[in-house]
Amino acid sequence: DVKVTQSSRYLVKRTGEKVFLECVQDMDHENMFWYRQDPGLGLRLIYFSYDVKMKEKGDIPEGYSVSREKKERFSLILESASTNQTSMYLCASSSAPSSYYEQFFGPGTRLTVL
Amino acid sequence: AQSVTQLGSHVSVSEGALVLLRCNYSSSVPPYLFWYVQYPNQGLQLLLKYTTGATLVKGINGFEAEFKKSETSFHLTKPSAHMSDAAEYFCAVTGNTGGFKTIFGAGTRLFVKA
Repeated sequence: DVKVTQSSRYLVKRTGEKVFLECVQDMDHENMFWYRQDPGLGLRLIYFSYDVKMKEKGDIPEGYSVSREKKERFSLILESASTNQTSMYLCASSSAPSSYYEQFFGPGTRLTVL
Repeated sequence: AQSVTQLGSHVSVSEGALVLLRCNYSSSVPPYLFWYVQYPNQGLQLLLKYTTGATLVKGINGFEAEFKKSETSFHLTKPSAHMSDAAEYFCAVTGNTGGFKTIFGAGTRLFVKA
């Protein structure tokens, strides 16, 4: 069974803290994504990566950075957490074109910044 | 540029009634179209997808969707709602020119009344 796992289901941090969200996939997928999900806004792409050490900004990259040192792992970093980054964060992965870009999602991390 | 519009942020049906969730898209290239479902406190999972060929696609749990190019629509239907169908549903589009960014709609929450 294919799997995308995220390091935490729930996380509470304080304003100004550095926050790491980890995502691991076991499907040998080339592409990995970080989204945030907010009510009424759907999923918004923060960053994506199409290969190890490669990254591209999505639609809302401000305040975030990412790291992909290994193919299976994609980390999202909040350099200095702020209350407006309180959200649900979803990681996803997809294969090359042969799969028509179907994405496989992790269970999500609900982050609260106080 | 691609975009996705889901009509109705909330839809309520009675158990056994027809489910119809509406999705319209815009894409400058032939699209790949997806419906994902999200159950409470979980990530998204694929319900069905249109890539090429037959415009009526069948998915899991009795859902189906029809790609109508002339109407730029990809509405999701199920003949008879079940209580277990209560969830949030997301329509998504990916342009099939070799890119792999997917645009998601804002989501429609389906309520099923006994």
